[in-house]
Amino acid sequence: QSVLTQPPSVSAAPGQKVTISCSGSSSNIGNNYVSWYQHLSGTAPKVLIFDNDRRPSGIPDRFSASKSGTSATLVITGLQTGDEADYFCGAWDSGLSAVYVFGAGTKVTVL
Amino acid sequence: QVQLQESGPRLVKPSETLSLTCTVSGGSISRGAYSWTWIRQTPEKGLEWIGYIHYSGSSYYNPSLRSRVTMSVDTSKNQFSLKLTSVTAADTAVYYCASAPTMTTNYYYMDVWGKGTTVTVSS
Repeated sequence: QSVLTQPPSVSAAPGQKVTISCSGSSSNIGNNYVSWYQHLSGTAPKVLIFDNDRRPSGIPDRFSASKSGTSATLVITGLQTGDEADYFCGAWDSGLSAVYVFGAGTKVTVL
Repeated sequence: QVQLQESGPRLVKPSETLSLTCTVSGGSISRGAYSWTWIRQTPEKGLEWIGYIHYSGSSYYNPSLRSRVTMSVDTSKNQFSLKLTSVTAADTAVYYCASAPTMTTNYYYMDVWGKGTTVTVSS
């Protein structure tokens, strides 16, 4: 199973807000920066957030994120049908076997 | 805007070597601090980071795969490659190449991904 823990799915109606959690440990989220990725089926994954809370250019401010301790959160506001996708968190894990780790992904469904 | 495209055989026999190439377009593979990564995804294990290589040849591999992985860069073709030896059915996955605008591990993330290519290990 994945090192970072995410809920398997979340859902909400168009225009509403969804929150996706990502729980880790001191060796990953606790001491390294978190990034978030969106993966629409059949397309290349896309980075939504890097350095815990920074958006690349072109990513709308409907996507925001934060980190506290060993957990991180992605918030999508003003949900749109085009937001229906899988969302992954990721971070470097500085443990004995240093490696970049991902969450298992959260499926966002727009009702 | 940089784009990445994976290519290589879709079917590999058990015990043989999986070889994939990622072609970088819209930018140079020799960009400063950028590292070039491989990631794979399976239904069972989810996303698994395989490793990265810098255009200088410096590389770092996932310890769980290190004994079987080799990455290389061809700056003349703006490509980087992955070789995974002694494959088994467990190596069946969607393989992605991606760029990372840093090699500083605690800031590490992938900024551009390819669409991925499915590789099946089967006789």
